[in-house]
Amino acid sequence: DSGVTQTPKHLITATGQRVTLRCSPRSGDLSVYWYQQSLDQGLQFLIQYYNGEERAKGNILERFSAQQFPDLHSELNLSSLELGDSALYFCASRGGTSGGAFSEQFFGPGTRLTVL
Amino acid sequence: ILNVEQSPQSLHVQEGDSTNFTCSFPSSNFYALHWYRWETAKSPEALFVMTLNGDEKKKGRISATLNTKEGYSYLYIKGSQPEDSATYLCASFNQAGTALIFGKGTTLSVSS
Repeated sequence: DSGVTQTPKHLITATGQRVTLRCSPRSGDLSVYWYQQSLDQGLQFLIQYYNGEERAKGNILERFSAQQFPDLHSELNLSSLELGDSALYFCASRGGTSGGAFSEQFFGPGTRLTVL
Repeated sequence: ILNVEQSPQSLHVQEGDSTNFTCSFPSSNFYALHWYRWETAKSPEALFVMTLNGDEKKKGRISATLNTKEGYSYLYIKGSQPEDSATYLCASFNQAGTALIFGKGTTLSVSS
């Protein structure tokens, strides 16, 4: 158990809908990362938050947004869902200060999103 | 754009065999290289974080080396066991030093 929790574990929804994925980092970790794992793709970095502020953006679509709350949990909002958004979404956290190249990340169990 | 490549894509070995995989990454503006192990139905777990050219790290039967000048890292597993079956991911930090860029992984299957 990494100490990172994600809910829900599975989510099935229809095209055009909006969903929210939730992540609670390890106790004390200020950084939260979101990743998308699609078929035949590696883990794709979406976005990073550090202590409530957006720190880095990757290949995140405009239809997607995220935030990190004062209690450090984070939510990833996916809207106007398309079939191609079906994927496994991971959240990861790490300790230490900003600039986390040198710190391992701890991954949550993931949320599997299926868009029908 | 930073590309991290891993080879082979998959590998099947017999119990007791030793094996190795390759991760290649752009050598310019290198910050760090991470190795993760991802078992089916679980989440990725960190194996190593490597930063210096010539770094060599070991955890049990698994070890890794790093060559930042030529942009590659090798992961070795000595005496593979069925429990080593997993996908092994490497990831490099990009120029901004703020995001891990993952390769697609090498999937290892060990038969008893």
